Amino acid sequence: VQLVQSGAEVKKPGESLRISCKGSGYSFTSNWISWVRQMPGKGLEWMGRIDPTDSYSNFSPSFRGHVTISADQSISTAYLQWSSLEASDTAMYYCARHVYGGNSEFDYWGQGTLVTVSS
Amino acid sequence: QSVLTQPPSASGTPGQRVTISCSGSSSNIGSNTVNWYHQLPGTAPKLLMYVNNQRPSGVPDRFSGSKSGTSASLAISGLQSEDEADYYCAAWDDSLNGWVFGGGTMLTVL
Repeated sequence: VQLVQSGAEVKKPGESLRISCKGSGYSFTSNWISWVRQMPGKGLEWMGRIDPTDSYSNFSPSFRGHVTISADQSISTAYLQWSSLEASDTAMYYCARHVYGGNSEFDYWGQGTLVTVSS
Repeated sequence: QSVLTQPPSASGTPGQRVTISCSGSSSNIGSNTVNWYHQLPGTAPKLLMYVNNQRPSGVPDRFSGSKSGTSASLAISGLQSEDEADYYCAAWDDSLNGWVFGGGTMLTVL
């Protein structure tokens, strides 16, 4: 099992961005995917999760309306997307696979994607 | 301010036993299981303990977990230098309909 994330990004405030998380070594639709934020020097924050089977997603209140999560079964890839970045979005973002349903633990994590937002 | 409360730091000498606590509420730890993750500097988190006290394959039995009421704890016995890492507890929160993490505990092996 592997989750491979897209590379580091440097963006300006107001720009849009989509980062990806490609699953391999398992049936992509069998496991939910969550996204987790880690701001510089800080702890882990759950952002939201998606069921790749039907793309149902839900979000932490802290992130709802600011990001969207999607998935493309055909290429076993989940996405985290912003329409308008802010400087406070500067962080490391991890995708993580749930063991099965979205209420189960995260058994595999991606390597992380560093997003830097600066004017 | 994290929903789950952990001490920011813990320390011990090689061979010692250390315990890291995680305090929550009835909507998270009180009604759901607790998982623990550890994160070495510059790396992604890894699952260390799930469903309160279950170790994934490859995690040594020096690590143990427990839960009582709205609190949980992670114990590490026979402390080793490679145990230096950040440790996070996590649980599903029924009120928030989402996952919540503790703020993390930085473990130092003296």
